[in-house]
Amino acid sequence: GEDVEQSLFLSVREGDSSVINCTYTDSSSTYLYWYKQEPGAGLQLLTYIFSNMDMKQDQRLTVLLNKKDKHLSLRIADTQTGDSAIYFCAEKAGGFKTIFGAGTRLFVKA
Amino acid sequence: SAVISQKPSRDICQRGTSLTIQCQVDSQVTMMFWYRQQPGQSLTLIATANQGSEATYESGFVIDKFPISRPNLTFSTLTVSNMSPEDSSIYLCSDSGTGFMNTEAFFGQGTRLTVV
Repeated sequence: GEDVEQSLFLSVREGDSSVINCTYTDSSSTYLYWYKQEPGAGLQLLTYIFSNMDMKQDQRLTVLLNKKDKHLSLRIADTQTGDSAIYFCAEKAGGFKTIFGAGTRLFVKA
Repeated sequence: SAVISQKPSRDICQRGTSLTIQCQVDSQVTMMFWYRQQPGQSLTLIATANQGSEATYESGFVIDKFPISRPNLTFSTLTVSNMSPEDSSIYLCSDSGTGFMNTEAFFGQGTRLTVV
């Protein structure tokens, strides 16, 4: 079956790097996503990576994919207080459905 | 990127009533999806809205409770029927992108529903 798991909380100091980890089970996943949800808001697509890539960088964001271990990570460099939010890992597997992890709540301490 | 608009953005409803949520995409998309996000939880897929045919529901969700319409490639509605306080959630609409490969999945801002 399809399952996406991530740790629930992460706390970092402002200026440090944040690394949010995710594991998934479906080896047929084609795309893997990171979404950000701020309080009271919808989901913002931050970035995505195709399953034949192992890294993608976009400004402060770096996505690493280890397809063998089915492990995805999101690194946020120079984390700011405005990065405090819930980050969802998601996979598009076996068709067009997107399956979400439980979300990692990132706390950034000033 | 597709822009998805949902209406209403929030509502407070009496138990036993129904609410219809609208989702409009600014370009034609192959598939549209409806998700529920219960308080403090992740997103759960309710159904895939298919244009010209009945929606495809996930396990635990039924058409009588969550009827869905998809009259064209840019619009869909989700109705939450005979509401109870347990239906209080954020309901989100999503699209599958505009191309065959459907690389991206965008979301509307969501409808925050409170049932009293």
